[in-house]
Amino acid sequence: DAGVTQSPTHLIKTRGQQVTLRCSPKSGHDTVSWYQQALGQGPQFIFQYYEEEERQRGNFPDRFSGHQFPNYSSELNVNALLLGDSALYLCASSLTGEDTQYFGPGTRLTVL
Amino acid sequence: GEDVEQSLFLSVREGDSSVINCTYTDSSSTYLYWYKQEPGAGLQLLTYIFSNMDMKQDQRLTVLLNKKDKHLSLRIADTQTGDSAIYFCAELGALNTDKLIFGTGTRLQVFP
Repeated sequence: DAGVTQSPTHLIKTRGQQVTLRCSPKSGHDTVSWYQQALGQGPQFIFQYYEEEERQRGNFPDRFSGHQFPNYSSELNVNALLLGDSALYLCASSLTGEDTQYFGPGTRLTVL
Repeated sequence: GEDVEQSLFLSVREGDSSVINCTYTDSSSTYLYWYKQEPGAGLQLLTYIFSNMDMKQDQRLTVLLNKKDKHLSLRIADTQTGDSAIYFCAELGALNTDKLIFGTGTRLQVFP
């Protein structure tokens, strides 16, 4: 039973560039949530996808966008990268109707 | 408002019990969670408690919930060096929301 997987593990970009992060949910899960964890902080909710639509969004600018595919996998896109976007990006999956989210290992994004 | 607070550090001797505390502000939270994060890794779900419960025990872990004071604690019995990590408490927000709200984390250091 595969858990939540994310790719890539690490990524280095420069200011102004665009980045795409990927997530495959735990087997049997249909909902994917994305979180940003800055160094020394707790994770902050970015948004959640269900049935290929954004269901809920946190306090993040429109530069952060996402997508969910028919197989429930998801992408997080960040445009016009800023230094402050450097963080660990965590994907969590869950099954609609159940309230427990399981996290992947994260993608560490460094913006130079 | 949404705010979850935790103390930053806890240091215990191997074999002793550890108690990690958390306070939250959303009285309508339905579930409260404890996650563990080891260096460079994602979040591992340890345990959770439904808001109508006072206590939950799972092997070495005991969760206590004081809903009146909005206080949650995690007790780890017979703490081992492998328990050294950052521990996050998280609340599932008000009804009809699927986002987790995390504290800043408590770094647990276990020394021999």
